[in-house]
Amino acid sequence: AQSVTQLDSQVPVFEEAPVELRCNYSSSVSVYLFWYVQYPNQGLQLLLKYLSGSTLVKGINGFEAEFNKSQTSFHLRKPSVHISDTAEYFCAVSPMDSNYQLIWGAGTKLIIKP
Amino acid sequence: ETGVTQSPTHLIKTRGQQVTLRCSSQSGHNTVSWYQQALGQGPQFIFQYYREEENGRGNFPPRFSGLQFPNYSSELNVNALELDDSALYLCASSLDRANYGYTFGSGTRLTVV
Repeated sequence: AQSVTQLDSQVPVFEEAPVELRCNYSSSVSVYLFWYVQYPNQGLQLLLKYLSGSTLVKGINGFEAEFNKSQTSFHLRKPSVHISDTAEYFCAVSPMDSNYQLIWGAGTKLIIKP
Repeated sequence: ETGVTQSPTHLIKTRGQQVTLRCSSQSGHNTVSWYQQALGQGPQFIFQYYREEENGRGNFPPRFSGLQFPNYSSELNVNALELDDSALYLCASSLDRANYGYTFGSGTRLTVV
């Protein structure tokens, strides 16, 4: 079985400051990894994904994430946040041997302070 | 290229009633997955339909059922509604069962009173 832990339920940060949202996972098989963003009253939008290859993945809106297999982590980073980044961010994994579903973390609310 | 459309956007039902939620998949996609997102939580996988057949199911009771039509649109039916069924129901479409190419709809907010 797989599980995903997002270590922070909320992360407040000042505008133009860097941010890191943490994600750790547990799985007995290899997984694909994802970060999604959910703006208020909207569905989920894919920010970035790791399927294979380089462990540093770049996504939309200036976000990037690094896959660390030994630490089973996939932390999301942005060097300078904007007020428009206010949203909830979800980390998800999918086992490679049965990839019809995603297993999600509980989400991290990114709060941008002016 | 059209995205994923869900209807209705909101609805309120009484405990014990039945509800049908609808999803139109993105053009060119033949797979639909349904997720339940309770308030303050991440989504939970309900089931996936691929070419009109159920391809996988999460840990949800049989009163949650679904259909996929020849045009790849889909319905989620929930019988005997319970208060805990109150949630945002999300539909995602993709191509050939791939979950790394999901396009999500905006969801249906179901409130059971």
